[in-house]
Amino acid sequence: EVQLVESGGGLIQPGGSLRLSCAASGFSVSRKYMSWVRQAPGKGLEWVSVLYSGGTTYYADSVKGRFSISRDDSKNTLYLQMNSLRAEDTAMYYCARTQALYCSGISCYPPFYFDSWGQGTLVAVSS
Amino acid sequence: DIQMTQSPSSLSASVGDSVTIACRAGQSIGTYLNWYQQKPGKAPNLLIYSTSTLQSGVPSRFSGSGTGTDFTLTITSLQPEDFAIYYCQQSFSTPWTFGQGTKVEIK
Repeated sequence: EVQLVESGGGLIQPGGSLRLSCAASGFSVSRKYMSWVRQAPGKGLEWVSVLYSGGTTYYADSVKGRFSISRDDSKNTLYLQMNSLRAEDTAMYYCARTQALYCSGISCYPPFYFDSWGQGTLVAVSS
Repeated sequence: DIQMTQSPSSLSASVGDSVTIACRAGQSIGTYLNWYQQKPGKAPNLLIYSTSTLQSGVPSRFSGSGTGTDFTLTITSLQPEDFAIYYCQQSFSTPWTFGQGTKVEIK
């Protein structure tokens, strides 16, 4: 059974740093594309970042240069390092396995979709 | 960035009704359109990917259609568990973007 469990959220002052973790089971994060998606309180969903199985990363403009996505294959865990946090980063952060219909080796092609989600971890940025 | 616009933002319907939610992309995205359902306090759940392919375990009363810039999610014979917020999402190009959501409420 696929399971994703996020942790690491909390209350942090503006300008601070946090590292979120997403422990996966039932599959290998090294063989899948993995994403972070966030949701501000009472708002819609915002894609944050993706890590391809081959190591390529992409970020939303709103977090580029401040956030970094990575993984530890030995721990089967995805991470999101968040630096220079702002009030507008306050949100529930979800990790999501990102499936693709078509893959050749380590390269995958659209369509992509988020087929499994964790329960989320809440990040609150406030003084 | 590709903007995704859903309509309506909310709707009221009764159990047994059929409802349709529209999603428009700011540019052509082929059929790279997914739909998610989110209930209060829960993570989103994938319903449909690639415009019309039902995710495993999703009831057949959910269906999707469209291509290019205009897409629809249809729920036939609404059930009590279907009252939720629905989001469309494009995977044509990063940044992957979501619609603002459509809340389906009980009339």
